[in-house]
Amino acid sequence: KQEVTQIPAALSVPEGENLVLNCSFTDSAIYNLQWFRQDPGKGLTSLLLIQSSQREQTSGRLNASLDKSSGRSTLYIAASQPGDSATYLCAATHMDSNYQLIWGAGTKLIIKP
Amino acid sequence: DTEVTQTPKHLVMGMTNKKSLKCEQHMGHRAMYWYKQKAKKPPELMFVYSYEKLSINESVPSRFSPECPNSSLLNLHLHALQPEDSALYLCASSPQSRESGNTIYFGEGSWLTVV
Repeated sequence: KQEVTQIPAALSVPEGENLVLNCSFTDSAIYNLQWFRQDPGKGLTSLLLIQSSQREQTSGRLNASLDKSSGRSTLYIAASQPGDSATYLCAATHMDSNYQLIWGAGTKLIIKP
Repeated sequence: DTEVTQTPKHLVMGMTNKKSLKCEQHMGHRAMYWYKQKAKKPPELMFVYSYEKLSINESVPSRFSPECPNSSLLNLHLHALQPEDSALYLCASSPQSRESGNTIYFGEGSWLTVV
């Protein structure tokens, strides 16, 4: 059974730093892995999707990587800003299912001005 | 336009009331979802509609009744809810195309409080 873990549960860094959020999964038979952002009391915003055949995806200051052999994905945020403060969740889709997302518990990120 | 619109944003209902949550997308997506999210937890899948047919029901109690009137609309009918059903209800949609990677897009959610 697929399990997705995000460590740490919370992270606080000064503005301007580059940072990495981690996501690990137990079953490498994933179809894709998505990173989402959730602001307090709001819905989820899709940040990046990496298909199983890809190694990384980039959007602006964000870069997500995928290493299926080690069961890891990372979300790299460059030059962090206070507006990046949010909870970041990763979710994996299994090869056998186009619908079922297996979620990590999220990392709450605080960027201090 | 990568928008999923949900109404109402907030809903307070009594345990004997009947209400509905509504969701709309105009991205041509053929899969639509209802999720439930409690505070500080990831979303839990409730229902999936694929090509307007219910394809997944995650053992959700019958007091929640989904409906997909057409490919752009998804409703969640609520009746005789319990206080523990209070949560953020999220609607989502995806292309259901493996070629496009099947990115899933979420709405802002409807905050439901059952009193």
